[in-house]
Amino acid sequence: AQSVTQPDIHITVSEGASLELRCNYSYGATPYLFWYVQSPGQGLQLLLKYFSGDTLVQGIKGFEAEFKRSQSSFNLRKPSVHWSDAAEYFCAVGPAGGGNNRKLIWGLGTSLAVNP
Amino acid sequence: EAQVTQNPRYLITVTGKKLTVTCSQNMNHEYMSWYRQDPGLGLRQIYYSMNVEVTDKGDVPEGYKVSRKEKRNFPLILESPSPNQTSLYFCASRGPSEAFFGQGTRLTVV
Repeated sequence: AQSVTQPDIHITVSEGASLELRCNYSYGATPYLFWYVQSPGQGLQLLLKYFSGDTLVQGIKGFEAEFKRSQSSFNLRKPSVHWSDAAEYFCAVGPAGGGNNRKLIWGLGTSLAVNP
Repeated sequence: EAQVTQNPRYLITVTGKKLTVTCSQNMNHEYMSWYRQDPGLGLRQIYYSMNVEVTDKGDVPEGYKVSRKEKRNFPLILESPSPNQTSLYFCASRGPSEAFFGQGTRLTVV
């Protein structure tokens, strides 16, 4: 079965601290992997994506993620969190290539709070 | 600029009064989806479309309809809304890589 698990429903960190949000997936083939962020009252914005190649990918807002095939994980990291990073974060996987069915499988999200 | 536009952003309606939420994309994508987002349940796909006149049920289709007469537009129709359809709705469009999302429609059915 295809699934995405974000084990942490809610995380609180202090401003300036490092952050790691976990994402594990189960998918039949090699998927495309994504992290999206949803700020309060906003739509979802792509943070970064992994298709192939270097397993450490850089995204916007200083975020990075590492794909580990052996662990079926795609964890999101940031060295120093800013108060504006408080948001909901979603991990998603989807089929590679340009086929007709492009359904994304979503995790339930991790809510990040940042203490001043 | 790549864009998915959905309207309205906010809507309060009464039980049983038909409504339509519009969605339009400017990226010439074939694949479009509607999601609802509820606390603790994440994003759940309602319907999707793989091309013009090709639509199919997602994970939670009951009470919803869609149409895809043109590639750019993918409206969501609630023929007889009920309070359990109170939710935050997102339209999304996906090409060969990532999905692009609209700003969301917060629907309240009273």
